[in-house]
Amino acid sequence: AQSVTQLDSQVPVFEEAPVELRCNYSSSVSVYLFWYVQYPNQGLQLLLKYLSGSTLVKGINGFEAEFNKSQTSFHLRKPSVHISDTAEYFCAVTEDGNKLVFGAGTILRVKS
Amino acid sequence: EAQVTQNPRYLITVTGKKLTVTCSQNMNHEYMSWYRQDPGLGLRQIYYSMNVEVTDKGDVPEGYKVSRKEKRNFPLILESPSPNQTSLYFCASSLSSRSNEQFFGPGTRLTVL
Repeated sequence: AQSVTQLDSQVPVFEEAPVELRCNYSSSVSVYLFWYVQYPNQGLQLLLKYLSGSTLVKGINGFEAEFNKSQTSFHLRKPSVHISDTAEYFCAVTEDGNKLVFGAGTILRVKS
Repeated sequence: EAQVTQNPRYLITVTGKKLTVTCSQNMNHEYMSWYRQDPGLGLRQIYYSMNVEVTDKGDVPEGYKVSRKEKRNFPLILESPSPNQTSLYFCASSLSSRSNEQFFGPGTRLTVL
């Protein structure tokens, strides 16, 4: 069965610093991978997705993620964060496109 | 505006009183899904529907029912709510399961006393 582990429940970082949010998954077959962002009191918004092809995926708001099949990871990165990036970030995986399994989430706190 | 809407946004109810949370999308999406979000657990899928009259269980279906009589609507029914169903619920839709980008509604915060 597929599962997702987000290794950090909270990540504090200063404004303009780089950040990496870690995500590892387990699955016995090929998967599709996603990162969603949830701003306070809002629904989820897609940041980026990996379906196939290039392992480096660029998303909205300057975020990117790299799919590493051998390490079963899909870490999210941004070279310079802003206060407005403060939110909760969810990694998700699906094998068949129907059942989407989410990680527990990582709260990114950007400090000035 | 393309969107997924949910009603109500907030609901406080008592144990055993049947309730329905509605979900509607105006994007002609085939695929719809319900999730619940609990602190430290992320989002867990309750039910999903690949098309009209086609529904299937997600990871936590116990205590919930769904129906998909029309393409645009996917209501979530709690026949006899219990306090452990207190949660934040999200409806989502996508063009098809293969398109894989799900669009989320604003959420419904349910409290069962």
